[in-house]
Amino acid sequence: GEDVEQSLFLSVREGDSSVINCTYTDSSSTYLYWYKQEPGAGLQLLTYIFSNMDMKQDQRLTVLLNKKDKHLSLRIADTQTGDSAIYFCAERLASASKIIFGSGTRLSIRP
Amino acid sequence: NAGVMQNPRHLVRRRGQEARLRCSPMKGHSHVYWYRQLPEEGLKFMVYLQKENIIDESGMPKERFSAEFPKEGPSILRIQQVVRGDSAAYFCASSPPDQNTDTQYFGPGTRLTVL
Repeated sequence: GEDVEQSLFLSVREGDSSVINCTYTDSSSTYLYWYKQEPGAGLQLLTYIFSNMDMKQDQRLTVLLNKKDKHLSLRIADTQTGDSAIYFCAERLASASKIIFGSGTRLSIRP
Repeated sequence: NAGVMQNPRHLVRRRGQEARLRCSPMKGHSHVYWYRQLPEEGLKFMVYLQKENIIDESGMPKERFSAEFPKEGPSILRIQQVVRGDSAAYFCASSPPDQNTDTQYFGPGTRLTVL
């Protein structure tokens, strides 16, 4: 079946690293995505990884993919107050054009 | 190059009325997707359209909902006889004809409130 799961909340101290985890069930995923949604706003594509990769780094963002365990993570280095948002993990299946979203992880930053 | 445009941004309807949501894809994009986000939930796929064709409508409710993407003009998501449970944020996304990038770009959404 198609299912993407994430923990609902994460709280980190400003300046620390945030790690948001995600698991998915369908092994035919072609692309896996991380989107950011700020309150009342649309979705901003942060980064994506192709399923034959195991790591991708883009400035403060690091994506790790463990295809064997169907586990995806997003690490945000030096977390800032502007990183407060909901982060959605999503997958695109080989057999379909639609994207399957997780329920989102709400990241809050402590001073 | 403007991003995906949606209007209206906010829409209030009374039960039984019709809601029309519009989406203009990014320039050069010919694929449009509609998603619905219920409060405190993730996005759920509704329908995927190319110009004048519905490709995948597996996420569309069987009744009252329809979508189109005409040759000219924006894509329209139409909800007839709205009910309170239709209150949600509706997001449109678009992607270019070359699907190798497989990236969908999202609009700001239309927040529908049914009174």
